[in-house]
Amino acid sequence: QQQVKQSPQSLIVQKGGISIINCAYENTAFDYFPWYQQFPGKGPALLIAIRPDVSEKKEGRFTISFNKSAKQFSLHIMDSQPGDSATYFCAASGRDDKIIFGKGTRLHILP
Amino acid sequence: DVKVTQSSRYLVKRTGEKVFLECVQDMDHENMFWYRQDPGLGLRLIYFSYDVKMKEKGDIPEGYSVSREKKERFSLILESASTNQTSMYLCASSLVLDTPYNEQFFGPGTRLTVL
Repeated sequence: QQQVKQSPQSLIVQKGGISIINCAYENTAFDYFPWYQQFPGKGPALLIAIRPDVSEKKEGRFTISFNKSAKQFSLHIMDSQPGDSATYFCAASGRDDKIIFGKGTRLHILP
Repeated sequence: DVKVTQSSRYLVKRTGEKVFLECVQDMDHENMFWYRQDPGLGLRLIYFSYDVKMKEKGDIPEGYSVSREKKERFSLILESASTNQTSMYLCASSLVLDTPYNEQFFGPGTRLTVL
């Protein structure tokens, strides 16, 4: 019930293409769904987050789509750039200040 | 900007040694966390702390302990290091908010190798 399942484990996308990473959760008590981005040699950093009362959130080229009934959410990166190459973690949290992370997706954008 | 610093970027220790990993945050955050990151396993919570001298076990506390004597500092202790504790260790901190919309700020990590 506490798991967040993330796929794919790795992803290669051509420059300018759309990168899509998917996540699913079980615990309906989760009410905050952040995505973290991690570059090599750095700690993860918050990229974008969504609350379950909206179905989509967009910030620049990054969009989260949220399907509450299916308990799924996804990250779309439009016009993917080589600088987007990183590891992405989806996550979920409730009211106990803990965050449950997915296992991560290593994204590589081909120049 | 919040800054979370970790005492070492790389550390090599021998099996059986006692290992201390230190983490300091400069933004007066109440919450602090220790994770380990392994390929294919993501970020797994070891211990966290809501306040000074408070600690809670995470998902994988076995073989680890923690200490939080001051609000800004959270230490992870490996009492007797073993080779299966070779990993990247990440420290994070966050504010206590009355909502779950709570960003965690991470340090750069310590890559520990146990020989």
